[in-house]
Amino acid sequence: QVQLQESGPGLVKPSETLSLTCTVSSASSTSYYWNWIRQSAGKGLEWIGRIYTSGSTDYNPAFKNRVSMSVDTSRTQFSLKLTSVTAADTAVYYCARGRGGYCSPNSCPRYWFDPWGQGTLVTVSS
Amino acid sequence: QSVLTQPPSVSAAPGQKVTISCSGSSSNIGNNYVSWYVLLPGTAPKLLIYDNNKRPSGIPDRVSGSKSGTSATLGITGLQTGDEADYYCGTWDDSLSAYVFGAGTMVTVL
Repeated sequence: QVQLQESGPGLVKPSETLSLTCTVSSASSTSYYWNWIRQSAGKGLEWIGRIYTSGSTDYNPAFKNRVSMSVDTSRTQFSLKLTSVTAADTAVYYCARGRGGYCSPNSCPRYWFDPWGQGTLVTVSS
Repeated sequence: QSVLTQPPSVSAAPGQKVTISCSGSSSNIGNNYVSWYVLLPGTAPKLLIYDNNKRPSGIPDRVSGSKSGTSATLGITGLQTGDEADYYCGTWDDSLSAYVFGAGTMVTVL
């Protein structure tokens, strides 16, 4: 069973860039979507976006101007960058593998997340 | 405010059943498959249901999912103290071009 682990700074200053990495326990010849999801204190889950093994990305429009994702060629790490952070970006950030059927950027009828990482808390504060 | 509506909390006695509703619209639940997740503090979120009603391996059959129109339901029978957690529904939203979640439902075992 593949395992995911998030890593990165736990404290980021306002207006700076949040950078996180997700390490996948084992590379796979199968192509997957790799996702970033966050949970703010007292709030629900929020999907940030995903990157395919090939490097193509789909971002939640709510983040589109601030987010970028990348995947390394070994297929064992993928990364998130979120620019111009504010206190509202304080959250537990999760990485998760996407599963399901064919997806286009605007349509993804069968899609779910399994497995997830344990999450990492990122606090935005000066 | 979440696109998908869930009750903030549900509760029942040990051994009883709880159901959690997830209400959406034609642009999300009405046109796409629903999945359900459980979040326990300090642990990785876990998939409970995918494709509206399918259980991944390792999820007991006392957990079930269903969908009708623009609403979905998660059911848990034989409630145990270990079931106390937050439960989330999720699906793709065609109008937003994004995956959306409900606000979560806290299950309490009385």
